[in-house]
Amino acid sequence: DSGVTQTPKHLITATGQRVTLRCSPRSGDLSVYWYQQSLDQGLQFLIQYYNGEERAKGNILERFSAQQFPDLHSELNLSSLELGDSALYFCASSAGLAVPYNEQFFGPGTRLTVL
Amino acid sequence: ILNVEQSPQSLHVQEGDSTNFTCSFPSSNFYALHWYRWETAKSPEALFVMTLNGDEKKKGRISATLNTKEGYSYLYIKGSQPEDSATYLCAFSNRDDKIIFGKGTRLHILP
Repeated sequence: DSGVTQTPKHLITATGQRVTLRCSPRSGDLSVYWYQQSLDQGLQFLIQYYNGEERAKGNILERFSAQQFPDLHSELNLSSLELGDSALYFCASSAGLAVPYNEQFFGPGTRLTVL
Repeated sequence: ILNVEQSPQSLHVQEGDSTNFTCSFPSSNFYALHWYRWETAKSPEALFVMTLNGDEKKKGRISATLNTKEGYSYLYIKGSQPEDSATYLCAFSNRDDKIIFGKGTRLHILP
């Protein structure tokens, strides 16, 4: 158990809908990262937050947004869902700001299925 | 386009044998190289973070080396055990804070 929690574990929804995925980082970790794992792709980095502020952006679509709250939990909002958004979404957390010096701890993931 | 390649894609190794696999990444604008171990139905678990050319890291029977000038890293497993069966991912991060993962090497240890 990494100490990172994600809810829900599974989510099934329809095209065009909007969903929110939630992540609670390990106690004391300030950085949260979101990743997408599709069937035919490797892990894709979406976005990083550090202590409430957006720190780095990867391949995140405009239909997706995220935020990190004062209690450091983070939410990833996915809207106007398409079939291709079906994937496993991971959240990871690390203690500090700089990626190279901090090990990332991954949550169990949220499996999103868009029908 | 930034690309991280891992080879081989899949590997079958006899229990007790040693093995290694490769991660190739862009050599310019390098910041760090991460190795993760990902067991089926679990989450990726960090193995190593390497930042300096020539870095060598070791954790038990697993070790890794880094060559930032030519853009590659090797992961070595000595005396493979059944519990080593997993997908091994590498991830490259650059100074623009981009994090790029390879597609992984799936390792199967044969009893």
